[in-house]
Amino acid sequence: AQSVAQPEDQVNVAEGNPLTVKCTYSVSGNPYLFWYVQYPNRGLQFLLKYITGDNLVKGSYGFEAEFNKSQTSFHLKKPSALVSDSALYFCAVRDNTGGFKTIFGAGTRLFVKA
Amino acid sequence: DTGVSQDPRHKITKRGQNVTFRCDPISEHNRLYWYRQTLGQGPEFLTYFQNEAQLEKSRLLSDRFSAERPKGSFSTLEIQRTEQGDSAMYLCASTQDRSTGELFFGEGSRLTVL
Repeated sequence: AQSVAQPEDQVNVAEGNPLTVKCTYSVSGNPYLFWYVQYPNRGLQFLLKYITGDNLVKGSYGFEAEFNKSQTSFHLKKPSALVSDSALYFCAVRDNTGGFKTIFGAGTRLFVKA
Repeated sequence: DTGVSQDPRHKITKRGQNVTFRCDPISEHNRLYWYRQTLGQGPEFLTYFQNEAQLEKSRLLSDRFSAERPKGSFSTLEIQRTEQGDSAMYLCASTQDRSTGELFFGEGSRLTVL
């Protein structure tokens, strides 16, 4: 069965500093990996995905994520955080062995301090 | 607006009553998903459809929950004999078949069971 772990409930970073939000996954076969962001009282918005190819993928709002197959990780990163990046971030994985179910992690709240 | 729409956005009901939520996906999307999200947690998979066929249903979903997508377009999620533990945000998402899998979410239907 597929699963996603986000080990940090909250990440605090100062504006202008780099940020990392961690994610590890477990899935049979080759994973499709995703990051979504949720602002207060809003639906989830897709940020970026890894399907195949380059291990560093770039997405919306200056975010990027690094896929590491040996560590089964897919950490979200941004070189310089903005206060407006403060939100709830979810890592997700889709099993591609026949099903199309996407499983989400519990989420990490990012707080960027001015 | 051609995004995913959900109705109603908020529903307050008394324990034991039945409630129904509706989701209208993006028109060309043939996969439709229902998730449940409680405060501060990640979306929990409930079920998904490919066209009108319900392909998978979570084992966590009791028989009080039923979902339909009769014509392969909009979907309904019904909860019978609601319990206080059903209070949550119910999220709908859609995607295209054969896509790389990113989901497009509606803003959710919040259920409060008194």
